[in-house]
Amino acid sequence: KNEVEQSPQNLTAQEGEFITINCSYSVGISALHWLQQHPGGGIVSLFMLSSGKKKHGRLIATINIQEKHSSLHITASHPRDSAVYICAVSRWGSNYKLTFGKGTLLTVNP
Amino acid sequence: GAVVSQHPSRVICKSGTSVKIECRSLDFQATTMFWYRQFPKKSLMLMATSNEGSKATYEQGVEKDKFLINHASLTLSTLTVTSAHPEDSSFYICSARDKGLGEAFFGQGTRLTVV
Repeated sequence: KNEVEQSPQNLTAQEGEFITINCSYSVGISALHWLQQHPGGGIVSLFMLSSGKKKHGRLIATINIQEKHSSLHITASHPRDSAVYICAVSRWGSNYKLTFGKGTLLTVNP
Repeated sequence: GAVVSQHPSRVICKSGTSVKIECRSLDFQATTMFWYRQFPKKSLMLMATSNEGSKATYEQGVEKDKFLINHASLTLSTLTVTSAHPEDSSFYICSARDKGLGEAFFGQGTRLTVV
């Protein structure tokens, strides 16, 4: 079993829909990251969380440390949100090395 | 926000030659940089961790003589793929840790194709 599991693997939505991507992990962590990777390959860091909730524009990330679970929400989705969304965790004592989920491919159709 | 610049974004090289990839933190000091490799439809895999001024720490299974990492300053780390072979073709990404924030910032990635 992978240490970081994401669901769903693939997600197709219509423009305007509310999107949720889930991430579960099985190890003790110091932080959880949500990353966005566009088709060209470049990675953008969206959020770094250690507790609670963060919001940036239409993106919201939450984490429940007790349940070892995080969600990324996109409100009013747009075709430009189409990308791979990756969850990654920094394990305690790992010198900030990240362990990555396999990613969720999101396609938002106009 | 903090910016990490990775260069080149794409490179094609002949089998047997060496390729150098640079990773620069543009507006912060990166005491630690990480190099990742991504195979098609797979997760990013950590190759090595480099700390400024010291030898890189390689993950199990990564050949240190093949993937040379140098972190000579607080803003620059390089990955050199030596004697490249077609199986080294992949997407390589660096990330740099901002000591003050603890957050990791990523480069744009380098698509290496060995022919």
